Amino acid sequence: GQSLEQPSEVTAVEGAIVQINCTYQTSGFYGLSWYQQHDGGAPTFLSYNALDGLEETGRFSSFLSRSDSYGYLLLQELQMKDSASYFCAVLHSGYSTLTFGKGTMLLVSP
Amino acid sequence: NAGVTQTPKFRVLKTGQSMTLLCAQDMNHEYMYWYRQDPGMGLRLIHYSVGEGTTAKGEVPDGYNVSRLKKQNFLLGLESAAPSQTSVYFCASSPDMNTEAFFGQGTRLTVV
Repeated sequence: GQSLEQPSEVTAVEGAIVQINCTYQTSGFYGLSWYQQHDGGAPTFLSYNALDGLEETGRFSSFLSRSDSYGYLLLQELQMKDSASYFCAVLHSGYSTLTFGKGTMLLVSP
Repeated sequence: NAGVTQTPKFRVLKTGQSMTLLCAQDMNHEYMYWYRQDPGMGLRLIHYSVGEGTTAKGEVPDGYNVSRLKKQNFLLGLESAAPSQTSVYFCASSPDMNTEAFFGQGTRLTVV
């Protein structure tokens, strides 16, 4: 089966940098995605890494190490609106779709 | 462009009742999915479809059935609702499996 581990909660202040880690165990791994979900809303796509290395999109970056079965989401210049849950998800051959972690709640304070 | 639309947004069912949740997408996506989200459990895949006329089981399929008769629609059925099916249900679609998935706004279902 598949399993993903990510911290349940992370806190930070506005303007800071925060890293949310994700470790996974899966067979037939294709790639790692990150999704953001505000309270009561729908998950929205942030990034997808299929190859090792860092992908940057504005204030957000995502990293993958396939050999370590590990990835992280890096959020820079934190804003209050970044307070949300962040989910890592692995794409694998088992379902041809995403298996999600349990999510990390990010709380950004002034 | 509406994206992914779920109907209804809220519903309360009595134990044993049946209902169908409708998901419609207007992006001509091949892949469609049904997830349920429970507190502390993340999103768990119920069923999915890789094209019109096809369906497959996900991680938690028991108690649910699906149909994909038209490419743009993916229906999730509960034949005999149970309190354990109280959850928020999300539908999603994507062009293929390794691209961005677009989610609907969710259906909040309570079974009493």
